[in-house]
Amino acid sequence: SAVISQKPSRDICQRGTSLTIQCQVDSQVTMMFWYRQQPGQSLTLIATANQGSEATYESGFVIDKFPISRPNLTFSTLTVSNMSPEDSSIYLCARRGGLNNEQFFGPGTRLTVL
Amino acid sequence: AQSVAQPEDQVNVAEGNPLTVKCTYSVSGNPYLFWYVQYPNRGLQFLLKYITGDNLVKGSYGFEAEFNKSQTSFHLKKPSALVSDSALYFCAVRETTDSWGKFQFGAGTQVVVTP
Repeated sequence: SAVISQKPSRDICQRGTSLTIQCQVDSQVTMMFWYRQQPGQSLTLIATANQGSEATYESGFVIDKFPISRPNLTFSTLTVSNMSPEDSSIYLCARRGGLNNEQFFGPGTRLTVL
Repeated sequence: AQSVAQPEDQVNVAEGNPLTVKCTYSVSGNPYLFWYVQYPNRGLQFLLKYITGDNLVKGSYGFEAEFNKSQTSFHLKKPSALVSDSALYFCAVRETTDSWGKFQFGAGTQVVVTP
């Protein structure tokens, strides 16, 4: 198992503002992952955050909208910029682990944009 | 490209009855297959995985899953469901050749267990 924490656990934000979500993992890992779970939907990978290099974004996600930092091997941040109500989602971070690189998830950040 | 299908949005079962949650997958190579559960206002919890070997995999909380290569399926099962099993279940696949380890998740199946 893994211990992964996220801050904040939830937030309500105004349109046009930005929110930075923090993720702390319990062991040093090269890769961390950021997912979005829109209401009633599955998880969609936003980007893979590699320590020491730029994050790799999936199709439909761009760095200007979702800048990611990875300052060390146990920490990452995801910023949701210039928010709109369509950004209302649960944002989850994850790390690889286990013998076969299954992913372990943080508890998620529930974001509501008004 | 890899994909996962969970054909049922919701599964309803009475407590004590068998529970099955269906999952089919598509990958170009060999798959790693996973099941996760999400309780309300919680993150995803890992239940079990198939990597290789025995097609019947046992996991947490009495759950098991059967890998069927010919049918490209990985259905989740529990012999006797509990009300506390009510949650959202996700199937996920990762290609063994993908060094980045990216997961593809199914749409999720809501399980409702009634007393």
